[in-house]
Amino acid sequence: DSGVTQTPKHLITATGQRVTLRCSPRSGDLSVYWYQQSLDQGLQFLIQYYNGEERAKGNILERFSAQQFPDLHSELNLSSLELGDSALYFCASSPRVEAWGNIQYFGAGTRLSVL
Amino acid sequence: DAKTTQPTSMDCAEGRAANLPCNHSTISGNEYVYWYRQIHSQGPQYIIHGLKNNETNEMASLIITEDRKSSTLILPHATLRDTAVYYCIVRGNKLVFGAGTILRVKS
Repeated sequence: DSGVTQTPKHLITATGQRVTLRCSPRSGDLSVYWYQQSLDQGLQFLIQYYNGEERAKGNILERFSAQQFPDLHSELNLSSLELGDSALYFCASSPRVEAWGNIQYFGAGTRLSVL
Repeated sequence: DAKTTQPTSMDCAEGRAANLPCNHSTISGNEYVYWYRQIHSQGPQYIIHGLKNNETNEMASLIITEDRKSSTLILPHATLRDTAVYYCIVRGNKLVFGAGTILRVKS
C-alpha cells in the first residue's frame, strides 16, 4: 500500500459527460501528480500541483483541469468526454516540489470507461 | 529529460538474478536514474534510484556505469511476483515513462 488513495476505482460514463477523479496523497506529501495511461500512449504525465499551486504541465487537454485543495487532496476534472479518454488515471504524491532525488508514490488508479 | 533505451522483454528463471539493462547516453550531470515497475495495470511502484554510486535496498540493486551512460537493475532472486513492466527513467523535472521492459519470471 503506497498510502495514496484514489476514488473511484472504476467509472463508466457516456461521451459528452463530465467526471471528477479524486486523489488523497500520502500523509505529509505536498506534491500531487496526475498521469494518464491508455493502451496506445503508455503512461503520460498530465499535471503537477504543489501545496495548492500548479507547478508543471504535461500533455493535459484543455477539456481536463485539476486542482489541489487546502487539505492537499486533489481532483482531476474531465469534461466533454470522448471515447479516446478511456484510460487508467493515476495519481502520485511526493514530499517535495523539486525533481532531484524525489520519489513519487502512486495510487491504484481510476479506470475510466467512456461508452 | 534524457532518453532511455531498454529491451522490450526479458525472461528470467524463478530464483535466479534478473539483470535489466538501460542505456541513457544523454544523461546530464544532475539527473538521477530511477526505476519503477508496474504489475498488470496496478499503480507504478518505486524500486530504487541513484545518481552516481551503486545503490542497494531491500528490493533491488542499481549499478550505474562510471560514465553514467548506462545502468543495470538487479533483482537478486526473482520470484513469479516480480513479473511486471520495468521502467528506467532519467529524471529531469518530471517522470517520463517509456515503453519499459516486460520481465517474465518463469518457474
